[in-house]
Amino acid sequence: DTAVSQTPKYLVTQMGNDKSIKCEQNLGHDTMYWYKQDSKKFLKIMFSYNNKELIINETVPNRFSPKSPDKAHLNLHINSLELGDSAVYFCASSQLSSGGTDTQYFGPGTRLTVL
Amino acid sequence: AQSVAQPEDQVNVAEGNPLTVKCTYSVSGNPYLFWYVQYPNRGLQFLLKYITGDNLVKGSYGFEAEFNKSQTSFHLKKPSALVSDSALYFCSSRGSTLGRLYFGRGTQLTVWP
Repeated sequence: DTAVSQTPKYLVTQMGNDKSIKCEQNLGHDTMYWYKQDSKKFLKIMFSYNNKELIINETVPNRFSPKSPDKAHLNLHINSLELGDSAVYFCASSQLSSGGTDTQYFGPGTRLTVL
Repeated sequence: AQSVAQPEDQVNVAEGNPLTVKCTYSVSGNPYLFWYVQYPNRGLQFLLKYITGDNLVKGSYGFEAEFNKSQTSFHLKKPSALVSDSALYFCSSRGSTLGRLYFGRGTQLTVWP
């Protein structure tokens, strides 16, 4: 009963392809996030959705598009993949309303390799 | 501007010795501070947080952190290190935007047997 799960765990693809990463949380949280961790382990927030509404949209290429079909799911679609997109992408969730805190719970990550 | 700094990229300590992983913060308003740990090829795991109250916060796996307002620090500590504590540790603070966390660059802790 994994709290935050991501698929796939590994993704190897060619430059120019389009790919998606899926995330699901079973914690009942109202907010979900996407982070990018580069080769130096630096974490960068990309997007956040609260109750399916986009609340954080950092400066990322518009080739990256998040989609939240419901509160428990947040997917990340990437168009025209580039070498620099190679990284580990983490999904996270937290409960912000109804007395929740900012404690975020992370998924296991998706290692994307663009060749 | 909100920011968190971890001044050490690496900390090495012998098993059984006390360990400290340093973090300083710069936030407007009351700080909400967190420590996370990342084991190899895993996601980040929440260790502990400071919101208000006692300056010494206890968390998972025997870790604790001391909040020091005058020094704007939130150092992570453990009285007796284990080899299994070897991991990457991140300090973070809550930003003014709802849900926004600012992460430090991480400190690699290595505990030698």
